[in-house]
Amino acid sequence: GQNIDQPTEMTATEGAIVQINCTYQTSGFNGLFWYQQHAGEAPTFLSYNVLDGLEEKGRFSSFLSRSKGYSYLLLKELQMKDSASYLCAVGSNYQLIWGAGTKLIIKP
Amino acid sequence: EPEVTQTPSHQVTQMGQEVILRCVPISNHLYFYWYRQILGQKVEFLVSFYNNEISEKSEIFDDQFSVERPDGSNFTLKIRSTKLEDSAMYFCASSSTGGGYNEQFFGPGTRLTVL
Repeated sequence: GQNIDQPTEMTATEGAIVQINCTYQTSGFNGLFWYQQHAGEAPTFLSYNVLDGLEEKGRFSSFLSRSKGYSYLLLKELQMKDSASYLCAVGSNYQLIWGAGTKLIIKP
Repeated sequence: EPEVTQTPSHQVTQMGQEVILRCVPISNHLYFYWYRQILGQKVEFLVSFYNNEISEKSEIFDDQFSVERPDGSNFTLKIRSTKLEDSAMYFCASSSTGGGYNEQFFGPGTRLTVL
């Protein structure tokens, strides 16, 4: 079966750091993607990991452990505009398999 | 910056009617996808398309659905006889490589409402 789990909702403070976890069990694996989705809008790409380790991109970093079926997205120096849903997705064959998303609420 | 476009942004239809959702993928991309997202739920894969044929499709993509690339730029999703449960946001996406190895670029979506 295909299963991707991430917390439903998280709350953090402006300027702080937050880590959003994702665990997956999929029949295929071509990489782990993180997308950001604001309400009513399309997902936008944040990061891609195919090898174990940390990928850093400005304020956002993503980590992958294939043996554990685990990834996290780290957001630093949080800004109010980071309030959104963060979607974990696994590339498998010709599709992306999606988690339900983590709604991140940023408080001043 | 190149982007995926979709038309219309909103579509309201009566149950049983046919709808065609249109997409223009990024021009040098070769792989095209349709996803849907029912309000408040997760994104669901419908179909992927490459070299003028379907590469993969999900269980959702039954005989009521079809895709077509009628010319060199458009990519369409047709729902033959809409049902209430087809109400959702439909996203088109494209990528330069397939196999889920590369970033997929999403269009802004078409919100379909079936009455």
